[in-house]
Amino acid sequence: NAGVTQTPKFQVLKTGQSMTLQCAQDMNHEYMSWYRQDPGMGLRLIHYSVGAGITDQGEVPNGYNVSRSTTEDFPLRLLSAAPSQTSVYFCASGRRGPRNEQFFGPGTRLTVL
Amino acid sequence: QQPVQSPQAVILREGEDAVINCSSSKALYSVHWYRQKHGEAPVFLMILLKGGEQKGHDKISASFNEKKQQSSLYLTASQLSYSGTYFCGTEPDSGAGSYQLTFGKGTKLSVIP
Repeated sequence: NAGVTQTPKFQVLKTGQSMTLQCAQDMNHEYMSWYRQDPGMGLRLIHYSVGAGITDQGEVPNGYNVSRSTTEDFPLRLLSAAPSQTSVYFCASGRRGPRNEQFFGPGTRLTVL
Repeated sequence: QQPVQSPQAVILREGEDAVINCSSSKALYSVHWYRQKHGEAPVFLMILLKGGEQKGHDKISASFNEKKQQSSLYLTASQLSYSGTYFCGTEPDSGAGSYQLTFGKGTKLSVIP
């Protein structure tokens, strides 16, 4: 099993550009989530999904869109990149049901100029 | 609101013990603990659920005081491999199961020979 994979590993954008961060998992997990990690801030939840076709907002959703058309994939779209979105982005997945561990992907380091 | 972790950083010699605390102002359903090494993804350590159930590794222990909304992670006989940043994630006791984790800012643990 590949676990949780994320692409790209690194990305540099200019302000105003849009892009999609890809996340895929091969563990048949119902629950998937996106976090951003900034120095000294910990992990902050952006969006999450409890199954295909179901998404909801987390703590910091503004400027990001998600969709979940399949169990495996959960892409994160930046609509119009801003320097404040410079961060490391982690995707995670886990089994639904009584609280279970989340498996994190390797992360995408995004810089917005 | 982010849970508050203490201490922010701690340095240990191999073999020493450490306690990391996590405190929330909200009623909690679960507390999750993760460890992140520099440049890597967070890795699951333990989940503590309201009512006393625990899921996690045998060699790591933790407690959850539901009345005080506090959790502590106990690291005994520390090894060099314990070094990293420890995060607690809390899930509010909203009754319906939110699946939303709010992480603290982390505790940086350094173990030296």
